[in-house]
Amino acid sequence: AQKVTQAQTEISVVEKEDVTLDCVYETRDTTYYLFWYKQPPSGELVFLIRRNSFDEQNEISGRYSWNFQKSTSSFNFTITASQVVDSAVYFCALRAQGAQKLVFGQGTRLTINP
Amino acid sequence: DAGVIQSPRHEVTEMGQEVTLRCKPISGHDYLFWYRQTMMRGLELLIYFNNNVPIDDSGMPEDRFSAKMPNASFSTLKIQPSEPRDSAVYFCASSLGYRSDTQYFGPGTRLTVL
Repeated sequence: AQKVTQAQTEISVVEKEDVTLDCVYETRDTTYYLFWYKQPPSGELVFLIRRNSFDEQNEISGRYSWNFQKSTSSFNFTITASQVVDSAVYFCALRAQGAQKLVFGQGTRLTINP
Repeated sequence: DAGVIQSPRHEVTEMGQEVTLRCKPISGHDYLFWYRQTMMRGLELLIYFNNNVPIDDSGMPEDRFSAKMPNASFSTLKIQPSEPRDSAVYFCASSLGYRSDTQYFGPGTRLTVL
């Protein structure tokens, strides 16, 4: 069975602080894919990143960075110099190779205060 | 390019009524997914199609739910009769194919059953 755990239900920080959202996953598959999605207050789900299990390089995109560690089954997401517009619910998701179903974590509600 | 289009964005209906949600996937995508988001259960996959054919409907909660995809550019999710516990946000998503599996989500339909 596959499972994604986002232990942080809510995080609140002041603007310009760095913040890390944790994601821990469970799977028996050797090949799998990890995703992060953002759900802003408007409600849509916005794709942020996709990572293959065989590629453990960390990735940076502007103020966003992702740390993938197979040894700890974690795929954490860091926002540097947070901004109010980063306020949203963030979801981590897992998909096994050969399957189409995305298994989502429960999400982390991030609030950036001015 | 247009993203996934869903209609209506909001639907309020009374218990017992039939509800039809609509989705237009991204042009060229051959996978289409229907998800439901609730506070209690989070994001869960209801059904998905490949090339207009339903592949896995194991997430459909009851016989009251049905989904169709008559052509590559249109899908419906129908609830008949609707019940208050069906109140949720329903998302449609599409992806390009097996090896390019990022699912892009529509804006969602917020359904309220009174």
